Amino acid sequence: DAKTTQPPSMDCAEGRAANLPCNHSTISGNEYVYWYRQIHSQGPQYIIHGLKNNETNEMASLIITEDRKSSTLILPHATLRDTAVYYCRAPQREADGLTFGKGTHLIIQP
Amino acid sequence: EPEVTQTPSHQVTQMGQEVILRCVPISNHLYFYWYRQILGQKVEFLVSFYNNEISEKSEIFDDQFSVERPDGSNFTLKIRSTKLEDSAMYFCASRTDPYGYTFGSGTRLTVV
Repeated sequence: DAKTTQPPSMDCAEGRAANLPCNHSTISGNEYVYWYRQIHSQGPQYIIHGLKNNETNEMASLIITEDRKSSTLILPHATLRDTAVYYCRAPQREADGLTFGKGTHLIIQP
Repeated sequence: EPEVTQTPSHQVTQMGQEVILRCVPISNHLYFYWYRQILGQKVEFLVSFYNNEISEKSEIFDDQFSVERPDGSNFTLKIRSTKLEDSAMYFCASRTDPYGYTFGSGTRLTVV
């Protein structure tokens, strides 16, 4: 798996866009970038994934730089319920067991 | 939206007893997993299951653990003789390519 680096914590005001960065400079050409989050006491939740192009779904947008060495997860209008730990990963094979690193603890402030 | 269902939500058992944790993955998914999370710690991978056999397991998944997919819909994790340190939240997950994992809401196992 490509090594990923994320800031340990971030704050964002409710209603604003939350932009969570991830560095994956060792990513190889066929490794997707996946984002998950874990809200306190709940099971982890898949958010989005992408390879080269920017992606958007009902939860978030994923912006991947042209050189694929970093990406940004965007929650366009953060709510208090988006407070969670967010994990970025770039596995060699997503079918392999997930390894959760430390992630970014995103705190949405009212 | 399809869900991964886990039962029971909470199980209390005496040390040394066997427990079976049950999961119903999403029906068209091909890969199945068990994870655990000890209180306050990271989610840890236990085992993955594909094509009716274990495809990968971690060091945590020793001889006390086993998994089964007995009937094409259920996916179970058995702990043969529970220890106090097995107390944790156990999450089942399933997925199909190329999408990410769908996790269940977990079973809280308390060993007393």
